[in-house]
Amino acid sequence: DTAVSQTPKYLVTQMGNDKSIKCEQNLGHDTMYWYKQDSKKFLKIMFSYNNKELIINETVPNRFSPKSPDKAHLNLHINSLELGDSAVYFCASSYRGQGKNIQYFGAGTRLSVL
Amino acid sequence: ILNVEQSPQSLHVQEGDSTNFTCGFPSSNFYALHWYRWETAKSPEALFVMTLNGDEKKKGRISATLNTKEGYSYLYIKGSQPEDSATYLCAFQAGGGADGLTFGKGTHLIIQP
Repeated sequence: DTAVSQTPKYLVTQMGNDKSIKCEQNLGHDTMYWYKQDSKKFLKIMFSYNNKELIINETVPNRFSPKSPDKAHLNLHINSLELGDSAVYFCASSYRGQGKNIQYFGAGTRLSVL
Repeated sequence: ILNVEQSPQSLHVQEGDSTNFTCGFPSSNFYALHWYRWETAKSPEALFVMTLNGDEKKKGRISATLNTKEGYSYLYIKGSQPEDSATYLCAFQAGGGADGLTFGKGTHLIIQP
């Protein structure tokens, strides 16, 4: 069983569209995250979400919004997609507790905006 | 803005040799320091999470040390094998633990047979 699963694996879409990427974890973790891997292969935190507490990286445009229907899911919605949104997006999850907070990553979603 | 610096950016090592690389991070508001191993087309895989100054962790031939006062961590690989080829990422975690990780740019390690 995959611990952190993201769907879809690949997403190709037109500029201006709205799209969502889903993330589910079956590890019982209480905190979930979204990261963006930019063109230089650099991983950057976008959001972390713990028990209804959302911490947002201030550099993330407000076209991006995380939605968490329950503790096991943190979906990423993107409105009005732009060319610069093309990247690989990784979901991760962990426990919130010092020494226990290893983050487990999904396989990534490669988004291409045309 | 948090700054996590890793060096070197890339490293070629002969099979059987030992190697090490460094991670520099802020020494204030420290919560944890993570090391990940990342192979191409796969997801990052956790190696270690360290929280206390002076921590040393070991997993097989790989070990890591932590100095939170001066803001650095070393990762050591003993007797490198071709399967050790990967990008090694360190990541700083600030705050109370729900904050995401601030990653360095990684050290790309290539083991030459």
